Amino acid sequence: EVQLVESGGREIQPGGSLRLSCAASGFTFDEFAMHWVRQSPGKGLEWVSLISWVGGYTYYSDSVKGRFTVSRDNSKNSLYLQMNSLTPEDSALYYCAKDVGLKYYYYAMDVWGQGTTVTVSS
Amino acid sequence: QSALTQPASVSGSPGQSITMSCTGTSSDVGGYNYVSWYQHHPGKAPKLLIYDVSNRPSGVSDRFSGSRSGNTASLTISGLQVEDEADYFCSSYTSSITVIFGGGTRLTVL
Repeated sequence: EVQLVESGGREIQPGGSLRLSCAASGFTFDEFAMHWVRQSPGKGLEWVSLISWVGGYTYYSDSVKGRFTVSRDNSKNSLYLQMNSLTPEDSALYYCAKDVGLKYYYYAMDVWGQGTTVTVSS
Repeated sequence: QSALTQPASVSGSPGQSITMSCTGTSSDVGGYNYVSWYQHHPGKAPKLLIYDVSNRPSGVSDRFSGSRSGNTASLTISGLQVEDEADYFCSSYTSSITVIFGGGTRLTVL
């Protein structure tokens, strides 16, 4: 079964740092680009970041550029999101998601995890 | 970059067809074939319905179809079913090498 499981979300104070993880199974992880997408309470989906299948290329939304870093360890079938300088506006349910394309970017996500919740509050 | 524009809500009766829109610019929806649609039931993970403007992933019902005209993409759902009631989001690749989503459309099946 193709599966993504996120972890690492918790309540944290503004200015703090947090690292999210996403464990992948059921597919050849190192052949697919991966995304992070978030959804703030009562709001829509917001794309956060994309990393290429070998990890050499990374892309970010303007709202997180310079503060968040996406990485992956293909030997562990794992995706990560290092989040620094967190603000209340970063509070959201964070999803990791697999791109459709095999060693190609379709910028579409066909497998999603259940998400992990980040709450930034003093 | 501003989110793609979607109507806040649409509604239809079981068996009917509905179409919802997703409007962007020539720098996103109108400029690239990387337009996607997702169905999102609250509390569940989003589900990909359409990618590359009009392609359906395997396992997605052919009641869902996508199209585009200029800077506006559309999702049509035919033969509406009660279980289609959900939020629907469009997304597009952009010239800034990012992805943007629409604000979402709430579909009510009356």
